[in-house]
Amino acid sequence: QVQMQESGPGLVKPSETLSLTCTVSGDSISSYYWSWVRQPPGKGLEWIANIYYSGATNYNPSLKSRATISLDTSKYQFSLKLSSVTAADTAVYYCARKGTGAYSPFDYWGQGTLVTVSS
Amino acid sequence: QSALTQPASVSGSPGQSITISCTGTSSDVGSYNLVSWYQQHPGKAPKLMIYEVSKRPSGVSNRFSGSKSGNRASLTISGLQTEDEADYYCCSYAGSSTWVFGGGTKLTVL
Repeated sequence: QVQMQESGPGLVKPSETLSLTCTVSGDSISSYYWSWVRQPPGKGLEWIANIYYSGATNYNPSLKSRATISLDTSKYQFSLKLSSVTAADTAVYYCARKGTGAYSPFDYWGQGTLVTVSS
Repeated sequence: QSALTQPASVSGSPGQSITISCTGTSSDVGSYNLVSWYQQHPGKAPKLMIYEVSKRPSGVSNRFSGSKSGNRASLTISGLQTEDEADYYCCSYAGSSTWVFGGGTKLTVL
């Protein structure tokens, strides 16, 4: 069964770049879509971006100018960079798998990692 | 791209049935049979409960069912159990390879 684990700094200063990595185990990283979803404290879920194993990417229009998703198949990892962060970017960030099809649901999730934006 | 609209909270007694609505637009829920539902217990990651409007992943109880009419999708939980108490989120494909979630509904089992 696939397992996913997020890693990265828990505290980022305003205006800096948030960087997170998701390590995948238990299954191939190929043939699937991989995603980042975030959840501000006490609020709902927000889809950030997808990446296919081929490298094709899709972004939430509201975050597209600041977000970059990438994939390293050799390390079984995919990553998120979010630039020019503000307090509004404070959230639990989840990595998730979207299955083999472009329209697949988010079927496996990491445990999430809290990132706080503060000076 | 606006969040889908869900009631903030619903409640029910053990054994009863409840329905959670998820209202979108003709650009998302109304245009695609690609609505999914997620259960989230406090401090935990979301769990897929329903996909493609009404399909259940392996291992999900048949007490959970989904439906859609126009721009509105619904999740019904029958035979409520105490462990069903959680937050529930709907999600829809919104075109152009983008996805949108609902604001979430807190289910209380009285």
